[in-house]
Amino acid sequence: GAVVSQHPSWVICKSGTSVKIECRSLDFQATTMFWYRQFPKQSLMLMATSNEGSKATYEQGVEKDKFLINHASLTLSTLTVTSAHPEDSSFYICSARSSGRASNTGELFFGEGSRLTVL
Amino acid sequence: QKEVEQNSGPLSVPEGAIASLNCTYSDRGSQSFFWYRQYSGKSPELIMFIYSNGDKEDGRFTAQLNKASQYVSLLIRDSQPSDSATYLCAVRVSGAGSYQLTFGKGTKLSVIP
Repeated sequence: GAVVSQHPSWVICKSGTSVKIECRSLDFQATTMFWYRQFPKQSLMLMATSNEGSKATYEQGVEKDKFLINHASLTLSTLTVTSAHPEDSSFYICSARSSGRASNTGELFFGEGSRLTVL
Repeated sequence: QKEVEQNSGPLSVPEGAIASLNCTYSDRGSQSFFWYRQYSGKSPELIMFIYSNGDKEDGRFTAQLNKASQYVSLLIRDSQPSDSATYLCAVRVSGAGSYQLTFGKGTKLSVIP
């Protein structure tokens, strides 16, 4: 399957600082990437849909000014958590859909995830 | 609101047995259905997808879909301890060009040696 790389895999930061997480599709072009957040023992919750060259679409309840998403190229999307607080501590996972695939099943490929801990 | 429901478990089965994981969904217009496996602290990995009524087999895994009952299941034959993980059911929301997935909370499977 296709490979999606996420970096960093884990990060610890102080409250009030900003953290950037990168999501790269390594062997395919991704016109659309999705950012999920997962709290312990909970399911993946979609935060936003990132489209290359346009503004991200945020899910209800997700602050766009706090979670900045940039999808400047077909292989890279970034999520910046601004002014992070302890309640932002979570497992953030990106996923991507290959623009080159003919399949219409909607198969997504996931990054390895980034565990954020805000002290 | 589109919902995907799973029994959180844990589901414990002995090694070599068949594990049966179930999932129901609320959006009757849902088109594609996915089963992901997630080990603790890791991101989900796709096991199978299905979009037609009936059974789809891949190795030890069989996905079953019944759109009339809005029900999808995953059977794991000859369960192995390495199958112990949380299994997430995901449904592709309906809508032209939509590739968003709605996930269930997952069922934790424990295969006892």
